Amino acid sequence: SAVISQKPSRDICQRGTSLTIQCQVDSQVTMMFWYRQQPGQSLTLIATANQGSEATYESGFVIDKFPISRPNLTFSTLTVSNMSPEDSSIYLCSVGTDVNQPQHFGDGTRLSIL
Amino acid sequence: EDQVTQSPEALRLQEGESSSLNCSYTVSGLRGLFWYRQDPGKGPEFLFTLYSAGEEKEKERLKATLTKKESFLHITAPKPEDSATYLCAVQAPGSSYKLIFGSGTRLLVRP
Repeated sequence: SAVISQKPSRDICQRGTSLTIQCQVDSQVTMMFWYRQQPGQSLTLIATANQGSEATYESGFVIDKFPISRPNLTFSTLTVSNMSPEDSSIYLCSVGTDVNQPQHFGDGTRLSIL
Repeated sequence: EDQVTQSPEALRLQEGESSSLNCSYTVSGLRGLFWYRQDPGKGPEFLFTLYSAGEEKEKERLKATLTKKESFLHITAPKPEDSATYLCAVQAPGSSYKLIFGSGTRLLVRP
């Protein structure tokens, strides 16, 4: 399966600032996704990163708060904007090659907001 | 509404003590059910995909089964290294390829 690298692995940020998280895959993939895993909780899909077009956001998530880029088939970024303590979470990138096939995950970015 | 429920929330086993984890789901037209293992500080690691009722998959001490309403992850003679959180997810119909995750079962296997 693809090797997925996320940067940074963790960060501590000040309230009101923004952070961009990078996801790099070692091979071209059809689909890339961004999930959030709040402390002690399971994974919730934020959005699907579409190559060459705007991301598709899930209910409860908006582009102004979580802008996403996907310039090619191996790279995507997620920005967490105007952060508040409620944004403290693990943010995970996943990739998929086809429908009905498993998604594979990076190790996540652990974000704490002070 | 599509939903995935896992039980128990936490499970403590003695090494060698077999048990099962449950994943019940309600989804209109299951495309696939996925089991993942997540270790602390890591992303979920893919274990199995199940597509239709009656299907079974096996890997080392783990065996996953699927019915029309639920899936079981059976752990036979577990070892301490099997300690992790086990996540179940379903893929709903439609074109979004979205995975809906359960809240997971935290498994601790004591030596």
